[in-house]
Amino acid sequence: NAGVTQTPKFQVLKTGQSMTLQCAQDMNHEYMSWYRQDPGMGLRLIHYSVGAGITDQGEVPNGYNVSRSTTEDFPLRLLSAAPSQTSVYFCASSYGVPLMEQFFGPGTRLTVL
Amino acid sequence: QKEVEQDPGPLSVPEGAIVSLNCTYSNSAFQYFMWYRQYSRKGPELLMYTYSSGNKEDGRFTAQVDKSSKYISLFIRDSQPSDSATYLCASSGDAGGTSYGKLTFGQGTILTVHP
Repeated sequence: NAGVTQTPKFQVLKTGQSMTLQCAQDMNHEYMSWYRQDPGMGLRLIHYSVGAGITDQGEVPNGYNVSRSTTEDFPLRLLSAAPSQTSVYFCASSYGVPLMEQFFGPGTRLTVL
Repeated sequence: QKEVEQDPGPLSVPEGAIVSLNCTYSNSAFQYFMWYRQYSRKGPELLMYTYSSGNKEDGRFTAQVDKSSKYISLFIRDSQPSDSATYLCASSGDAGGTSYGKLTFGQGTILTVHP
C-alpha cells in the first residue's frame, strides 16, 4: 500500500492564481481531511469528508474548496491564492469516526508570493 | 483562545531524561485524546490515544488524561535522540456532539534529545 499520497511536494504561486492540491489514499478509508500547519498554530482543519459525495467545513475553510467524487481522492482547490495561504498542507485519512488514527500524507509546501 | 493549548517549547533534554509534555483543553465535550509525533518535514503519525480519563502505557511512553482539570500529558522515559520530533496533542468529542469526528490539535512541542 502506498498509504496517503500528496502532489505536488512543493509549489510557488502568485497572488490570485488558482491551483489544486491532490490527495489520494489506497486504504479504502471513508474519512479524509485537509489540514494546514503554520508555525505556532499547530494543525488546523480546513475541510473534511466522511465518504464519497459528503464534505463539510472545518476550522479554517475560507478560500478553499473540496469535493469527494471517489473514496480514493480528495482534492483541495485554492480559488484565488493569497499570501496568507502560505503554509504546509497535509491530507489525512482514517477508517471511520471517532478518529483514533489518522494517516497523514507527506505534505505540500505552498508559498504564495 | 484555542480549544487545545500546548506549550510550543522548544524543549531540549539530555539522553536518558524523563520528558513531560503537556496540554490543556477547554471543551468539556472532548472524550478522545491523542498524541501524534511529527519528524522534521514529515506528516504526523499517531503515537498513543486514550478515551476519557486515565493512563495508558506503551513501552517508554505513558499518556495521561485528567478530565477534572482538563489536562493531557505525555511522559517519555529514558529519552533517546530518536525521540527528537514535534509532539502534538489532539482531542475529539463523542458522537452527537459538534466536535465529533473532528480532531482539534495543540500547537505542538518541539523536543530535542541530545546525546
